[in-house]
Amino acid sequence: NAGVMQNPRHLVRRRGQEARLRCSPMKGHSHVYWYRQLPEEGLKFMVYLQKENIIDESGMPKERFSAEFPKEGPSILRIQQVVRGDSAAYFCASSPMAGGGNQPQHFGDGTRLSIL
Amino acid sequence: QKEVEQDPGPLSVPEGAIVSLNCTYSNSAFQYFMWYRQYSRKGPELLMYTYSSGNKEDGRFTAQVDKSSKYISLFIRDSQPSDSATYLCAISSGSARQLTFGSGTQLTVLP
Repeated sequence: NAGVMQNPRHLVRRRGQEARLRCSPMKGHSHVYWYRQLPEEGLKFMVYLQKENIIDESGMPKERFSAEFPKEGPSILRIQQVVRGDSAAYFCASSPMAGGGNQPQHFGDGTRLSIL
Repeated sequence: QKEVEQDPGPLSVPEGAIVSLNCTYSNSAFQYFMWYRQYSRKGPELLMYTYSSGNKEDGRFTAQVDKSSKYISLFIRDSQPSDSATYLCAISSGSARQLTFGSGTQLTVLP
């Protein structure tokens, strides 16, 4: 499967614990994006990364949330001290290196985070 | 005012019908327009991608963009039960890579 891979598909955490969500982009893609889909709401942009660089984090909550895309390995979205309001589906997308235009983004099947 | 407004539906049509899905946007800086299909418990799947006014056709799907009216549409011809899903419009500007999504329209095609 050459698509965007996210794991785990489902993650359950208790309030105050940490959640780590992983995303491996499509082969040949070097741009990664994270989006959050809250119940009954649309997809909202969180952060845009390239290898070892955060390019745009304008959609990230100021506290408890962080993201990285290391030189080796998957991109990680980390949520510290989770609260009930963090329950959502978190989607990762990837796109090829930018050429002359804006390349379309391809999505994984998401991680569904539930906070008890 | 939201940056992207999408007809919320839900929409229910008989098999074989022509479906029209619509979004409007407010920011004239938006240049790239996409339609995604999302099945339940799955990620959005890219259907159509365009960056110019006019029509783009791919099989049973036609994407239409009218930049002067800030209006985009997706038409599905000869709709099938397998088309039953939520359809999301997504828009971006040239400088910002982030996508701004509509809230989605849930479509059901009845056999």
